[in-house]
Amino acid sequence: QKEVEQNSGPLSVPEGAIASLNCTYSDRGSQSFFWYRQYSGKSPELIMSIYSNGDKEDGRFTAQLNKASQYVSLLIRDSQPSDSATYLCAVNPNNAGNMLTFGGGTRLMVKP
Amino acid sequence: DGGITQSPKYLFRKEGQNVTLSCEQNLNHDAMYWYRQDPGQGLRLIYYSQIVNDFQKGDIAEGYSVSREKKESFPLTVTSAQKNPTAFYLCATQRRADVPPTDTQYFGPGTRLTVL
Repeated sequence: QKEVEQNSGPLSVPEGAIASLNCTYSDRGSQSFFWYRQYSGKSPELIMSIYSNGDKEDGRFTAQLNKASQYVSLLIRDSQPSDSATYLCAVNPNNAGNMLTFGGGTRLMVKP
Repeated sequence: DGGITQSPKYLFRKEGQNVTLSCEQNLNHDAMYWYRQDPGQGLRLIYYSQIVNDFQKGDIAEGYSVSREKKESFPLTVTSAQKNPTAFYLCATQRRADVPPTDTQYFGPGTRLTVL
């Protein structure tokens, strides 16, 4: 079983819609969770970090964390074609120091 | 990527050659990491360093070597022992290397290595 799992996609949504990206993790003791966006051929850039159960909003982005169910999600409201990218979920497992384990990423396509 | 530079951007290597990828940072971050990314895949940790003159193997260290002689620099050598070195190599830094919650990792622009 992979430690961090994401649906590889592609997830296709029309412009203006809400895109919902999901990530599950296996280590129940994980403490820190991150969403990165990666455009084709480029390096990942941080979108959101979340540490506590619940929602965290930043502009059009909302991260949701449910530690009991071991999932973290990213919602993108009013999706734009410029949001088309691969979204990587990263988790800091318990007893892993500052290491991050990355999921394989979900490719999002926003169609005009 | 900000204050993290990686060079070269593209690198071509013949089989049997060792090559060294550069990673430099001016963020004064303690921790530095090397990841490998294959097409359609996530990131896999090769090596990491939390302090000068110390580094640890990650999940896929075989065929790679690193050094951390200065806080600002963490070069990665891909040796001829690495069987499938063609990949996108990413260097990352992190402000602190101690107790979680984890500080964010920031990535350099990457080096794309192709073995001919």
